Amino acid sequence: NAGVTQTPKFQVLKTGQSMTLQCAQDMNHNSMYWYRQDPGMGLRLIYYSASEGTTDKGEVPNGYNVSRLNKREFSLRLESAAPSQTSVYFCASSELGVGGEQFFGPGTRLTVL
Amino acid sequence: TQLLEQSPQFLSIQEGENLTVYCNSSSVFSSLQWYRQEPGEGPVLLVTVVTGGEVKKLKRLTFQFGDARKDSSLHITAAQPGDTGLYLCAGGGKAAGNKLTFGGGTRVLVKP
Repeated sequence: NAGVTQTPKFQVLKTGQSMTLQCAQDMNHNSMYWYRQDPGMGLRLIYYSASEGTTDKGEVPNGYNVSRLNKREFSLRLESAAPSQTSVYFCASSELGVGGEQFFGPGTRLTVL
Repeated sequence: TQLLEQSPQFLSIQEGENLTVYCNSSSVFSSLQWYRQEPGEGPVLLVTVVTGGEVKKLKRLTFQFGDARKDSSLHITAAQPGDTGLYLCAGGGKAAGNKLTFGGGTRVLVKP
């Protein structure tokens, strides 16, 4: 099992460009999450999907959109990237609902110039 | 202001020394998780504590959940270079909107 996979691993964008971060899990988990990690800030939740067909805003949703494509895949889209969105983005999934153990992908390091 | 405050933010010690990391909040959590993250990777769960006063041991790591379920600590005995990493606490339950909320992390460096 690959666990949680994310693509791409690295990306550099110019201000105003758009892109989609892809995430997939093969553990048959119901819940999936997108976080951003900035120095000293821990992990901040952007959006989550408690189950297939549902998505909800987290702590820092502005500037992002998500799509729960199916049970396996959860994508994060930046419509018009800004330098403040420079960060490391992690996708995670969990089996026992949104408060349970979360399994993380390796992250995407995004730089917006 | 974060819901969960971790201290210290950074800790550098020599191999063989002991260390303690703290995770504090004014809110009550139904569960508290500790994760370790190594450079270039995602966090990996170490332990979950759910009962006030609970103590769990994982080899040289001891985790404690406060009696009031508002705080937790991680103690490492005889630290080794392999313990180097970012330690994150995460609280779950109503205080976190039934999601997980993470602390800011403690970066630990164990020098040989």
